Amino acid sequence: ETGVTQSPTHLIKTRGQQVTLRCSSQSGHNTVSWYQQALGQGPQFIFQYYREEENGRGNFPPRFSGLQFPNYSSELNVNALELDDSALYLCASSLGGFEQFFGPGTRLTVL
Amino acid sequence: ELKVEQNPLFLSMQEGKNYTIYCNYSTTSDRLYWYRQDPGKSLESLFVLLSNGAVKQEGRLMASLDTKARLSTLHITAAVHDLSATYFCAVAGSNAGKSTFGDGTTLTVKP
Repeated sequence: ETGVTQSPTHLIKTRGQQVTLRCSSQSGHNTVSWYQQALGQGPQFIFQYYREEENGRGNFPPRFSGLQFPNYSSELNVNALELDDSALYLCASSLGGFEQFFGPGTRLTVL
Repeated sequence: ELKVEQNPLFLSMQEGKNYTIYCNYSTTSDRLYWYRQDPGKSLESLFVLLSNGAVKQEGRLMASLDTKARLSTLHITAAVHDLSATYFCAVAGSNAGKSTFGDGTTLTVKP
C-alpha cells in the first residue's frame, strides 16, 4: 500500500508567479485535504476535495484553487504569489473522514 | 470560529521526568487528534480521541479528552531524547480532513 506522496519536494518562485503542487492520495482514499503550514505555526486548512468536488474551504483567498482527478490525486494552484505564501504545503488523504494521513509536504519559498 | 490553544508552546525537559501538554478548544467538536512533527518532516498521527473520558496510551505518551471542559492532555512519562519533536493537537467535527490545529508544543528532552 502506497502512502500519500507530494511533488515537488521544494520549490522557489518569485512574487507574482503561479505555482502548482501535486498530491497522490493513499490507495483507496477518496478525500484529499490541503493545509498551509507557516514556519513555527500549526497547519491551516485550505480546502478539501471529495470525489472531484470541493468539499469545504478555509479562510484563503480565491487565488488558492484546486482540482481532484478521477484517480483521487489532487493539485493545489496558487496564483499571484505573495511573500507570505512561503510555507510548507501539506496534503492529507482520508477515507470516510475518520482519520487523515499526511504526505511529506512541499516547501514553497517565494522571493 | 473554532480556536485551539496549546500550552506550553515550548518545553524543555530532562530525561526521566514527567510533564503534561494541554490543548484547549473553544467550541464543541466530535474528535480530537494528536500529531507529532519532527523538524522538516510531515505530521505523524499519534492518537484519535472520540468521546468524553477517552484515554489512549502508546509507549511513554498518554492522551486524554474531557469534552465538557473542552480540554485534552498529552502526558509524557519518563521522557527520553527520542521524544524531542513538535506536538500538535487538532480538533474536527465528523471530518478529520477539516481539522483546526493548535500552534504546537516544541518539546526538547535533554540528557
